[in-house]
Amino acid sequence: AQSVSQHNHHVILSEAASLELGCNYSYGGTVNLFWYVQYPGQHLQLLLKYFSGDPLVKGIKGFEAEFIKSKFSFNLRKPSVQWSDTAEYFCAVNRGSSNTGKLIFGQGTTLQVKP
Amino acid sequence: AAGVIQSPRHLIKEKRETATLKCYPIPRHDTVYWYQQGPGQDPQFLISFYEKMQSDKGSIPDRFSAQQFSDYHSELNMSSLELGDSALYFCASSYRIGANGYTFGSGTRLTVV
Repeated sequence: AQSVSQHNHHVILSEAASLELGCNYSYGGTVNLFWYVQYPGQHLQLLLKYFSGDPLVKGIKGFEAEFIKSKFSFNLRKPSVQWSDTAEYFCAVNRGSSNTGKLIFGQGTTLQVKP
Repeated sequence: AAGVIQSPRHLIKEKRETATLKCYPIPRHDTVYWYQQGPGQDPQFLISFYEKMQSDKGSIPDRFSAQQFSDYHSELNMSSLELGDSALYFCASSYRIGANGYTFGSGTRLTVV
């Protein structure tokens, strides 16, 4: 079945540590890729997206992600996390060939940053 | 800037009751997607509409129905509510089926007791 997998379900880091969250998808063909953040009690907010072009994408709040087509991956990175990055992170994919644009989400990763 | 508006924010219903959730997309957005997010779960796609027509259907129970109106707002109707329907229901809107990304609403927290 077509799916999006996030390998890390719960990550605990100290402030200033580096972050990498894994995301793999199982679709062939063209895909559009997204990372969203969800703070407690809030709606999903877009961190960054990849449609085409440079596979290294820079987003808001110092986040970046790299699309590696051969590995079907779109990992999220941040060189130095802050306590305020504590949140739930979701990777999402839609198929570029889709005529409906629905997003399929990964299971999510809970990031806890200790001050 | 205008965002995606959902109402109500919170809703408490008893089993077997009905509920109607509303979603108002960003102006000029023509596509609406509905998702269900259970506690600690990833969002599950329910249904979507493009230009007032159903465009895709996911894991939406037969007890649920939805539509998109002429002003592009959408309503999710839920009948014979079950305890397991308790979840955050949020919608997203986009222009031209996600060609330029999506904007999410804050969701409706439905609790079935």
